[in-house]
Amino acid sequence: GDSVTQMEGPVTLSEEAFLTINCTYTATGYPSLFWYVQYPGEGLQLLLKATKADDKGSNKGFEATYRKETTSFHLEKGSVQVSDSAVYFCALPASGAGSYQLTFGKGTKLSVIP
Amino acid sequence: GAGVSQSPSNKVTEKGKDVELRCDPISGHTALYWYRQSLGQGLEFLIYFQGNSAPDKSGLPSDRFSAERTGGSVSTLTIQRTQQEDSAVYLCASSLDRNNQYFGPGTRLTVL
Repeated sequence: GDSVTQMEGPVTLSEEAFLTINCTYTATGYPSLFWYVQYPGEGLQLLLKATKADDKGSNKGFEATYRKETTSFHLEKGSVQVSDSAVYFCALPASGAGSYQLTFGKGTKLSVIP
Repeated sequence: GAGVSQSPSNKVTEKGKDVELRCDPISGHTALYWYRQSLGQGLEFLIYFQGNSAPDKSGLPSDRFSAERTGGSVSTLTIQRTQQEDSAVYLCASSLDRNNQYFGPGTRLTVL
């Protein structure tokens, strides 16, 4: 079945460091791909998405490019801030025309220190 | 506008008791989902409602779990005879399409 594998954390970075969180997927066809973020004490929020191969999703300085050749959707940010400390989840929709639910990776906890 | 709301935000119960968790989706969203977030299992899909279609219950972990959605809007997740392994954060989400799910803040369930 469809699955998502993402880099395990926790990841600790200094402010202004470069961030990469790896995500690879196994799926039928070319599903949309998502990154969700969960800030401490809050619910999940959609961070960015890409709906087709070679698309780049971007938001709040974060970017991820849908690479069908490598079945990857790595999350990057050039300069992280303390406020980026959160848990990040890579996700894709379940396969099947009538399936809307998401399959999530295990999550990667990011801590950014001043 | 109003987002997805869930109640209660926290629920502590004793093993063996039944609990009901409520979700109010965004108005007009036809799809509603329940997920469970626990330390050992990450984020798991539980059940999905789409309009008036029969729900997809494929993620429910046991027959102690059930959910209903009344009038295509509010949903209630019921856990009967709670067990300690049911302790988790239960998340509700709603959407209009496959690409934009909006999550509620969750209900933290603790079973003593």
